[in-house]
Amino acid sequence: DSGVTQTPKHLITATGQRVTLRCSPRSGDLSVYWYQQSLDQGLQFLIQYYNGEERAKGNILERFSAQQFPDLHSELNLSSLELGDSALYFCAGSAYLTGELFFGEGSRLTVL
Amino acid sequence: KNQVEQSPQSLIILEGKNCTLQCNYTVSPFSNLRWYKQDTGRGPVSLTIMTFSENTKSNGRYTATLDADTKQSSLHITASQLSDSASYICVVSAPGANNLFFGTGTRLTVIP
Repeated sequence: DSGVTQTPKHLITATGQRVTLRCSPRSGDLSVYWYQQSLDQGLQFLIQYYNGEERAKGNILERFSAQQFPDLHSELNLSSLELGDSALYFCAGSAYLTGELFFGEGSRLTVL
Repeated sequence: KNQVEQSPQSLIILEGKNCTLQCNYTVSPFSNLRWYKQDTGRGPVSLTIMTFSENTKSNGRYTATLDADTKQSSLHITASQLSDSASYICVVSAPGANNLFFGTGTRLTVIP
């Protein structure tokens, strides 16, 4: 158990819809990273937040957005969903001293 | 261009045998190199993290090596077990934000 909590674990929705994925990092970890992993693909970096502020942006679509709240939990919002958005979405927290990433178990999104 | 390449893409070995996975990178400047194990449909779990000055690091039956001069790393698995079946991901870190570069992983299958 990494200590990083992601909800929901599974989500099935239709094209054009909007969903919100939630992540709670380990206590004390200020950084949150979001990654997308499509079937049999590597992890693609989406976005990083540090202590409530956006720190870095990767290949995140304009239809996607994220935020980190004062209690350090983070949400990833995916809108106008397309079939190709079906993937595992992982959140990771970063240990301050080592920078080691602790991943959640992921949210599996299926768009029908 | 900062890249991380892993080989082989996939590997099948008999239970009890040893194997070695490779990671070559072009990331510069370099901060650290990490190996993660990802079971199917689960979040990656850290195996080792090595800085520039470390040549080898072990975690049970897993031993990682790093040659920062040639920008190569390997992960050696000894006496493989069925539970070692997973994807192994090499991640190279550079200083600064958006500083993690992921390999696409080696898919290891251990058969009885």
